[in-house]
Amino acid sequence: GAVVSQHPSRVICKSGTSVKIECRSLDFQATTMFWYRQFPKQSLMLMATSNEGSKATYEQGVEKDKFLINHASLTLSTLTVTSAHPEDSSFYICSAWDITNYGYTFGSGTRLTVV
Amino acid sequence: SQQGEEDPQALSIQEGENATMNCSYKTSINNLQWYRQNSGRGLVHLILIRSNEREKHSGRLRVTLDTSKKSSSLLITASRAADTASYFCATDPMLEETSGSRLTFGEGTQLTVNP
Repeated sequence: GAVVSQHPSRVICKSGTSVKIECRSLDFQATTMFWYRQFPKQSLMLMATSNEGSKATYEQGVEKDKFLINHASLTLSTLTVTSAHPEDSSFYICSAWDITNYGYTFGSGTRLTVV
Repeated sequence: SQQGEEDPQALSIQEGENATMNCSYKTSINNLQWYRQNSGRGLVHLILIRSNEREKHSGRLRVTLDTSKKSSSLLITASRAADTASYFCATDPMLEETSGSRLTFGEGTQLTVNP
């Protein structure tokens, strides 16, 4: 079945630094990828929709200058958390729609800890 | 975005028993999906039910959908310890079939199956 590879799985960074998270669709083309954030014991909240070759669409309340999204190809989307702060510590998950299998495939998630 | 509601928030049962989780939502949908998430991991797609379907089965899973009540239920029969996880429903308006749409997740049910 469809696979979305997400890296890194865990990252610890110092406050003020930037962190890049990658999501790759391995065996299908993803014109759109979705980025979610999940705080402990909570549900997933959509942060932004990443569109190949165009600007991302951000949800209300999500700072686009802080969470930079790049979708340079049909198989790769990246989320960069800039000037990270401890409150950005969370679990970030991407997903992509695979029309061939008519389903969403999720990455395995990235646990970001900002110290 | 508004989140759906799931109940119960937590469910603890013995191996072999059935587990029922409910989900309510507020908007129009094209389909509703159920996902499983093991602690600290990504989401695994379990089953998708379309808005014109009322019931669907997949192995030990049975999903129902009542669009008039805007509710769905997930039944896991003959539960196993390995079923211990968080379960989320997600509604999909499917505004664009080629790229998928933003999913709205319920709050989730934490299921614990005791051996």
